[in-house]
Amino acid sequence: GAVVSQHPSWVICKSGTSVKIECRSLDFQATTMFWYRQFPKQSLMLMATSNEGSKATYEQGVEKDKFLINHASLTLSTLTVTSAHPEDSSFYICSEGFSTDTQYFGPGTRLTVL
Amino acid sequence: DQQVKQNSPSLSVQEGRISILNCDYTNSMFDYFLWYKKYPAEGPTFLISISSIKDKNEDGRFTVFLNKSAKHLSLHIVPSQPGDSAVYFCAARGQGGSEKLVFGKGTKLTVNP
Repeated sequence: GAVVSQHPSWVICKSGTSVKIECRSLDFQATTMFWYRQFPKQSLMLMATSNEGSKATYEQGVEKDKFLINHASLTLSTLTVTSAHPEDSSFYICSEGFSTDTQYFGPGTRLTVL
Repeated sequence: DQQVKQNSPSLSVQEGRISILNCDYTNSMFDYFLWYKKYPAEGPTFLISISSIKDKNEDGRFTVFLNKSAKHLSLHIVPSQPGDSAVYFCAARGQGGSEKLVFGKGTKLTVNP
């Protein structure tokens, strides 16, 4: 069964609004979660590493003020896309990093910004 | 600069035949490699992995081969089934306990009945 869930599975919003995406670890207490973004026909690109109880670590080129990450509990990490624009339209996926040999991914969230 | 490359964007094979998906990497510090399968609008599903200390790992119909000197790995699916049709991503993990994964762009496999 699924070990990571995401909500919502898809969202359409107007340009300039903010969107929150939730990622829940169902089976494990995940101290670390990862947020990825995938554009069409591209690879999954790691955006940031979410650490429970501390600040997220962002990859180079990812604006931390635009993509706010909160990991307040061992089972929940949230990604908020602030002041979304059409170029932020993408498929956002989280994964939990409890397992050192594998990562289990959520089902993803399709964001469309009009 | 792509550290993990999957140079074939697509592959088509007949049911029952072998599917071979290839992946090349440039970073010699990678110590663990994984293959994920992904259906449209879903997150990737872990398929099989291999440590850099091995050159082969097998799980049912799936076998992954690693050639460290060539910095090349491949995924073999035998026999291929229509349900295997999906996008396959190769991923690599760095040394030092880092759990960061670097992904290739994926190869879309189509298995024809």
